[in-house]
Amino acid sequence: KNQVEQSPQSLIILEGKNCTLQCNYTVSPFSNLRWYKQDTGRGPVSLTIMTFSENTKSNGRYTATLDADTKQSSLHITASQLSDSASYICVVTQAGTALIFGKGTTLSVSS
Amino acid sequence: DAGVIQSPRHEVTEMGQEVTLRCKPISGHNSLFWYRQTMMRGLELLIYFNNNVPIDDSGMPEDRFSAKMPNASFSTLKIQPSEPRDSAVYFCASSLTLAGEVNTGELFFGEGSRLTVL
Repeated sequence: KNQVEQSPQSLIILEGKNCTLQCNYTVSPFSNLRWYKQDTGRGPVSLTIMTFSENTKSNGRYTATLDADTKQSSLHITASQLSDSASYICVVTQAGTALIFGKGTTLSVSS
Repeated sequence: DAGVIQSPRHEVTEMGQEVTLRCKPISGHNSLFWYRQTMMRGLELLIYFNNNVPIDDSGMPEDRFSAKMPNASFSTLKIQPSEPRDSAVYFCASSLTLAGEVNTGELFFGEGSRLTVL
């Protein structure tokens, strides 16, 4: 069954700290993997996209990694800010067919 | 570009009433998606249009839900009659999909329509 599992479900960190969010998937055949950020009351916005051959992609303080062999991805946030408080959704594209969404990790950054 | 525009942003209605949600995709995008988001289930695809034609409506919960895309710049999602379990945030998204492929483009989401059915 094609699934995307994210962990942890929620996370609270202090401002300035780093954190890492995890995404494991069983989607096959794999096309690409995206991380989306969803602020409260807003629609998701794409942060990064990685294809099979890419294992690291950065977008400012956000760095995504992909291990296609183990079917795992992570999103690392460096020097967190209050504005990083949001839900982070991992989305895997099943080649030529569908997008499989994870349920997201809710991050709260406190001062 | 103004992005994907959805209306209304909030809708409160009573059980049994008809609800119509509207979406204007980004100009030039050829694919449009309707998603439903709840805490329990996350984002779920309801229906997907490509070049105004419904391609996959397997996610539409039941006959009470219907969606149309009369032209490239407008789509509606209708629920008739509405029920309390339909309460959720409904997102419209659009993308530019390459010919012959599905879901190849980045999704651009609207701000969502929060529906509450009493």
